[in-house]
Amino acid sequence: AQSVTQPDIHITVSEGASLELRCNYSYGATPYLFWYVQSPGQGLQLLLKYFSGDTLVQGIKGFEAEFKRSQSSFNLRKPSVHWSDAAEYFCAVGGYGGSQGNLIFGKGTKLSVKP
Amino acid sequence: NAGVTQTPKFQVLKTGQSMTLQCAQDMNHNSMYWYRQDPGMGLRLIYYSASEGTTDKGEVPNGYNVSRLNKREFSLRLESAAPSQTSVYFCASTIRHLSNQPQHFGDGTRLSIL
Repeated sequence: AQSVTQPDIHITVSEGASLELRCNYSYGATPYLFWYVQSPGQGLQLLLKYFSGDTLVQGIKGFEAEFKRSQSSFNLRKPSVHWSDAAEYFCAVGGYGGSQGNLIFGKGTKLSVKP
Repeated sequence: NAGVTQTPKFQVLKTGQSMTLQCAQDMNHNSMYWYRQDPGMGLRLIYYSASEGTTDKGEVPNGYNVSRLNKREFSLRLESAAPSQTSVYFCASTIRHLSNQPQHFGDGTRLSIL
């Protein structure tokens, strides 16, 4: 069965520092991968998605993610974090077979930003 | 553009009471979903409706029922609420029920059961 692991529950970075959030997936074929962001009290907003082709994908708010098949990873990065980036981030993989169309979510990484 | 609208935003229930959470989307999407979010658990799928007229169980369906009222609306019902159902509930929708389709989320219903 597919699964998504986000190893870091909580990360704190200083404003202006770079950021990398880790995501590892378990899947037998080329996956469809997504990153979502959830601000406090809000729903989830799509940051970016990977389907195929270029392994470095650009998203909204200055985020990017790199798909690495050899490492089964899809890590999210941002060169310079802003205070407004404080939120919870979820990695997700699209289902296949009987669960095609369903998203399988990681448990999330909460990002805190120090001034 | 409203997107996905959930009502109510907050609710407190007593154990054993019933309640229906409402969800409506104005994006002409075919597929709709109900999730619950608990601390440290991420999002878990309760039920989904791949298209109007169909509903299917997700990962955690026990204690819930759903109705796809029409293409726009998908409701979630708790027949006899239990404290274990205290959670934040999210509705989502997507154009088609396929693995490569991103889902669009509402702002959630925060439900407490005493």
